[in-house]
Amino acid sequence: GQQVMQIPQYQHVQEGEDFTTYCNSSTTLSNIQWYKQRPGGHPVFLIQLVKSGEVKKQKRLTFQFGEAKKNSSLHITATQTTDVGTYFCAGVDSGAGSYQLTFGKGTKLSVIP
Amino acid sequence: DSGVTQTPKHLITATGQRVTLRCSPRSGDLSVYWYQQSLDQGLQFLIQYYNGEERAKGNILERFSAQQFPDLHSELNLSSLELGDSALYFCASSAQGNLYGYTFGSGTRLTVV
Repeated sequence: GQQVMQIPQYQHVQEGEDFTTYCNSSTTLSNIQWYKQRPGGHPVFLIQLVKSGEVKKQKRLTFQFGEAKKNSSLHITATQTTDVGTYFCAGVDSGAGSYQLTFGKGTKLSVIP
Repeated sequence: DSGVTQTPKHLITATGQRVTLRCSPRSGDLSVYWYQQSLDQGLQFLIQYYNGEERAKGNILERFSAQQFPDLHSELNLSSLELGDSALYFCASSAQGNLYGYTFGSGTRLTVV
């Protein structure tokens, strides 16, 4: 079945430093989504990427979808303590009949003030 | 409030027992998904329903079952509970086509003792 790998598993950064998490799928994706889960909270949808090579920005967050639609990245510029949480990527298999998302294990971001 | 309601928020029960988790999707969403999240683990897909019918199945144990009712709320039944079933169980809903991501509920934290 489809597998979505995400690295690193954990990342500790000093406030103000940049942060990047990477996501790789074993299959070609029709789209990829990113979610953020704050400690003790539930996952919250951030963004969806659909097109090959697509880049989207949300303030300090930059999301990229690879040309082959099998990998993606999330980059945060100048992290703040409010960025703390676990970031998940989730992909929809382009060959699947349903819109079921397969989630990566997430990258847990800690920001040291 | 995300619009997806899960009850109860916490559940403590003994091994061998049976519990029912309830989920009301966001208004207008026809798809309901159930995910299990263990400590420091990602989101494991259990099952998806669309407008009352089972659409996709993940690594759901035979001891677990679910259904979606005509009013679109869903229930996840967990029986013959084991210590390893202790986890956070999330319900999520999405609109047709999943164009805008999943909306997650706050989850039910199940503790089996």
